[in-house]
Amino acid sequence: SYELTQPPSVSVSPGQTANITCSGDKLGHKYASWYQQRPGQSPILVIYQDKKRPSGLPDRFSGSNSGNTATLTISGTQPTDEADYYCQAWDSNTEVFGGGTKLTVL
Amino acid sequence: QLQLQESGPGLVKSSETLSLTCTVSGGSIISSSYYWGWIRQPPGKGLEWIANVYYSGNTYYNPSLKSRVTISVATSRNQFSLRVTSVTAADSAVYYCARCLIVEVPSCYFDNWGQGTLVTVSS
Repeated sequence: SYELTQPPSVSVSPGQTANITCSGDKLGHKYASWYQQRPGQSPILVIYQDKKRPSGLPDRFSGSNSGNTATLTISGTQPTDEADYYCQAWDSNTEVFGGGTKLTVL
Repeated sequence: QLQLQESGPGLVKSSETLSLTCTVSGGSIISSSYYWGWIRQPPGKGLEWIANVYYSGNTYYNPSLKSRVTISVATSRNQFSLRVTSVTAADSAVYYCARCLIVEVPSCYFDNWGQGTLVTVSS
């Protein structure tokens, strides 16, 4: 079965850039999506089709996908960005989520 | 504004069947642009996709759960449902329903989520 691998945790200082990676076999040939989940809340979509942002989402969030790795980049990170982030892709009629990355802003 | 609301028992006994319903409001479940899906999250763990359904009844399942799971749609009630049979403690989780926007059939991404409902399996 297809697997997506994310680092368990990433730390960043306020105002700096955070990069969260998601690795999978030939992931660059698939569309990657990213979700943000704050504690006690439902996930929300932050990036779809590799690099597109839903309307209303700050342009601090951006995405890329090439080779075996998709990356979520958060520029000028704010304390409110502290959350769990999950990548997602489709493979062989199956939706697959990465294990999630806890972003700490300190 | 589209809203999804999960409903069903919060406590299910081990070996019995878990049944949940998602009611969609603010939009029609009959749309060629979307699948409707269930995702779960055990306490303190990550997201696990369970299944998707199209308004016509076409279904897609997580292979690891397929033998115990049924997803269905009731267009007249603007609802879709999930059944999981022979539950164990490992099925205890927050269950989310969500709308999945189709990119290239059957690939999609979840653009609207319900608030989730906690289901606990007791022995």
